[in-house]
Amino acid sequence: QKEVEQDPGPLSVPEGAIVSLNCTYSNSAFQYFMWYRQYSRKGPELLMYTYSSGNKEDGRFTAQVDKSSKYISLFIRDSQPSDSATYLCAMSGFSGNTPLVFGKGTRLSVIA
Amino acid sequence: IAGITQAPTSQILAAGRRMTLRCTQDMRHNAMYWYRQDLGLGLRLIHYSNTAGTTGKGEVPDGYSVSRANTDDFPLTLASAVPSQTSVYFCANRQGAKGEQYFGPGTRLTVT
Repeated sequence: QKEVEQDPGPLSVPEGAIVSLNCTYSNSAFQYFMWYRQYSRKGPELLMYTYSSGNKEDGRFTAQVDKSSKYISLFIRDSQPSDSATYLCAMSGFSGNTPLVFGKGTRLSVIA
Repeated sequence: IAGITQAPTSQILAAGRRMTLRCTQDMRHNAMYWYRQDLGLGLRLIHYSNTAGTTGKGEVPDGYSVSRANTDDFPLTLASAVPSQTSVYFCANRQGAKGEQYFGPGTRLTVT
């Protein structure tokens, strides 16, 4: 089993829809969780950063962490065509400077 | 604030040639990373450095070397390029285990 699993998509939704993007993981030591947005031919851009379990909201974006289920989600409300991108989840443990472990990314298209 | 700069933006390189990809940060973060990103394979860690003067191997280090003489610079060298090293290369930085990780804009390398 891979450490982080993420459905590659592509996921296509109409403008205004609520989008749910998810990752599952196997390492119970993971404490820090990040979501990145990557537009075509650009570098990944940090979107959300959460520590341990719970929710974090920033504008139209909500990140959710359920450590008991080893499951994280990113919700996008009122999706816009400008949200069309690849979304990557990433996570790491508490000890030392262990590099982040990334999901392979989900490609999202929001259709006007 | 530039954050992380990478050079060159893109490069076409003949197989067997030596090439150094440059990465510079102005954020003074301790840890720096090199990734390659290939379609279907996601981001894969090549080498990393937790602090100036130290380096470590990632998931795919063969054919690559790095150095970390100071906090701000983290060059990646391909000693003798091969076509399988055709990829997009991203440099990233992070301030400690709890810190957020940021990416540079990437270098698109084609080895012919």
